[in-house]
Formats: sequence, C-alpha cells, structure tokens
Amino acid sequence: DTEVTQTPKHLVMGMTNKKSLKCEQHMGHRAMYWYKQKAKKPPELMFVYSYEKLSINESVPSRFSPECPNSSLLNLHLHALQPEDSALYLCASSQDHRSGNTIYFGEGSWLTVV
Amino acid sequence: DAKTTQPPSMDCAEGRAANLPCNHSTISGNEYVYWYRQIHSQGPQYIIHGLKNNETNEMASLIITEDRKSSTLILPHATLRDTAVYYCIVHADSWGKLQFGAGTQVVVTP
Repeated sequence: DTEVTQTPKHLVMGMTNKKSLKCEQHMGHRAMYWYKQKAKKPPELMFVYSYEKLSINESVPSRFSPECPNSSLLNLHLHALQPEDSALYLCASSQDHRSGNTIYFGEGSWLTVV
Repeated sequence: DAKTTQPPSMDCAEGRAANLPCNHSTISGNEYVYWYRQIHSQGPQYIIHGLKNNETNEMASLIITEDRKSSTLILPHATLRDTAVYYCIVHADSWGKLQFGAGTQVVVTP
C-alpha cells in the first residue's frame, strides 16, 4: 500500500475563516511534506517534517501553519488566507528525508479562497 | 540540485514506445534522477528513479547515460491513459526536497 490520503478533496473558505487540511499515511514513513501547486505550474515545496519535527519551512507565510501530531498524520492549518492562496495543496511522504527514497504524493486538496 | 531541461511537449501514438528525454548536464555524483507524472487534476505519480544504473519497473525503464548528463524515460507501450505531464527531477538534497521543473506534456493519440 503506497497510499497518502488527503481530506477534504475540495475546500472553499472565506478570507476570515479558519480551516485545516489533513493528510494521513500508514506506510511507516517518517518524512512528510506539504507542496503547493498553482494552476498550470509545477508543485512547489512548502514544508518538510522529519520524525514529527519541522525541518524545512520554505519561507511560507504564517497564515499557513503545519502540524504533525504523530508519525502518520500531517495537518495544514489555514487562517486569514488571500484569494491568491487558492491552489492545489499536495501532501507527500517518504521513508525518511534522505535522497534516494521514493516520495509518494496524495491526490491533493483543492482550495478556493473567496 | 542540478537543473533539468525537458521538451515542453511530445506526441506519441498509442501502442508505440514513448521515449522522453531529459538533460541534466550539471548533475553531481550523489544526485538521483527521478521521474514523476501528473495527470490533470491529480497528485504526482511516482514512476521510477535511479542513480547510475539503468532501472526498470512495471511502469517504465530509465536509461541514464554513462556520463550521467542525460537520461531517457521509456514507456514501452503507450496507452491513452499515459497522457500526462512528465517531470524529470535531479535530487540530491538531503531533506527530500523535490524541485519540479516545467515538465513535458505528453499526449498519446489513437
């Protein structure tokens, strides 16, 4: 099983709302990632968690707040977003953070900010 | 990480082999070559990766030149479901960061 599950698949939120995206994997992977993909653009890395600790933050605005409650779960808390934050948000995981491991992606959560 | 150069688009006839080239002339000795594809509105799908040797799995084959400056992904018998954007990524970062380029839009036609 190489499945990374993301919920919800679609989310519409207002600029004053607080919402969360969720990601789950049961492959025993210890590295998890959030990527953002705008329309017709390649995915861009946002955050890397390794062994439940935030290891990389690619200068992401504080209105995006990641959380890793345990080794299987990864959340992305959203608050006071802007319309330009509308995008496909992708979660991924790998055995660990080292190069050479296979990184598996979920199907993504489509976010629309109105 | 080294940058990659891919053609922006390719057409392929259904049932024929699709050969997708990728140039990575600045690749270093410890950098892996990864291939992913993304079908419209879906998450990227892992295809294959390799370091020096050619690799084959149930989806594709990866041919890496001896100097490692270029590689080719081979889809042996293309189907309509192989229509997607294919990303070649050279990855050495120890923190699992995949830096996606623009990719190649592959269209398989009947």
